[in-house]
Amino acid sequence: QVKLQESGPGLVKPWETLSVTCTLSDGSIINNYWSWIRQSPGKAPEWIGYIHDSGNTEVYYRQTTNYNPSLESRATISVDRSKNQFSLKLTSLSGADTATYFCARMVDAFDIWGLGTMVIVSS
Amino acid sequence: EIVLTQSPDTLSLSPGERATLSCRASQSVHRFLAWYQQKPGQAPRLLIYDASTRAAGIPARFSGSGSGTAFTLTISSLEPEDFAVYYCQQRSNRFTFGQGTKLEIK
Repeated sequence: QVKLQESGPGLVKPWETLSVTCTLSDGSIINNYWSWIRQSPGKAPEWIGYIHDSGNTEVYYRQTTNYNPSLESRATISVDRSKNQFSLKLTSLSGADTATYFCARMVDAFDIWGLGTMVIVSS
Repeated sequence: EIVLTQSPDTLSLSPGERATLSCRASQSVHRFLAWYQQKPGQAPRLLIYDASTRAAGIPARFSGSGSGTAFTLTISSLEPEDFAVYYCQQRSNRFTFGQGTKLEIK
């Protein structure tokens, strides 16, 4: 069964850009919906966005993304097929972005999760 | 945005008792509702999806019901390992989570 592992910087300064990566093992990144979800201490999870890579090798293949409207202007999710990874970039960070960031697979629901990576935004 | 409201915020019960957790949606989510269990320091664990389908490996004491705007998660007889926080989540219109119900030992 596929396993997910997040990696992130731990500590980021305000106004900087956060980059976190999720690496898949024992599975393919093609033809699944991969999400980023975050959870601030003591709060409910918050969905950030997802990406779907169809694996089409033709010139006009398309990766589909969808984002939480509250984060859409700051979030970008991308896939690196060669590394079997997907990543999140979140710009213009503030203390409100301090959270544990999880990656997860979406099949009817979020059925497989990584362990999470804690990110603290502080100067 | 579809808002999910869970009740109660905290539920205090003893092992062996029956637990009933509620989730209400601000508009119909049809049956596109899931339930998760989360323990401290862990990721949420999927219990139920599409309102009533148990995820792989989930014990039969967990059951879900409902449709439209009102949903229920029932744990028929509480085991010590069931005391945790439970979240509902909808996928009818993007994805949102409820605020959670903490199930604690009485």
